[in-house]
Amino acid sequence: EDQVTQSPEALRLQEGESSSLNCSYTVSGLRGLFWYRQDPGKGPEFLFTLYSAGEEKEKERLKATLTKKESFLHITAPKPEDSATYLCAVHASGTYKYIFGTGTRLKVLA
Amino acid sequence: GAGVSQTPSNKVTEKGKYVELRCDPISGHTALYWYRQSLGQGPEFLIYFQGTGAADDSGLPNDRFFAVRPEGSVSTLKIQRTERGDSAVYLCASSYGRDAEAFFGQGTRLTVV
Repeated sequence: EDQVTQSPEALRLQEGESSSLNCSYTVSGLRGLFWYRQDPGKGPEFLFTLYSAGEEKEKERLKATLTKKESFLHITAPKPEDSATYLCAVHASGTYKYIFGTGTRLKVLA
Repeated sequence: GAGVSQTPSNKVTEKGKYVELRCDPISGHTALYWYRQSLGQGPEFLIYFQGTGAADDSGLPNDRFFAVRPEGSVSTLKIQRTERGDSAVYLCASSYGRDAEAFFGQGTRLTVV
């Protein structure tokens, strides 16, 4: 069964303290892995798409990487405005749906 | 429009009533998704449209839930005989196709009392 697991569930960082969020997945064939950011009361906001192992994408303080079993979202020198829930989703071969993890709630303290 | 628009933002209804939730996708997007999100959980797939047709409705929990997209643009999610367990945020997303990134609306928070 296709599955996505994110860790940790919650993370508190001091401003400037870099860290990584993990997304482990099990799918029959990966068509794409997606990272989203979600603020309270809002819909998920698209960040990155990764399609194959070894691929990396960057945007400001965020960098996403992909292996055959997991993806990491690296946050470099985070700021309080990076506080949000980060969601990972996979799109498996032969399906139309995205399967989401439960997310990592990130809090960056000033 | 600039993004996916969902109306209403909030809906409170009594148990047993019928509700309709509307989604206006990004112009030109042929693919449209409905998801449901409960507190502290990730979005849960309900249905996928490619154009006017529902290509995958395997996520609809039972026959009280139905969705349409008659002209390949606006979609409506319909819930009959609402139950308290239907309370959640209903999210709509659209994309250029099944392999492209999906962009989400702000959601409709449905509360069944």
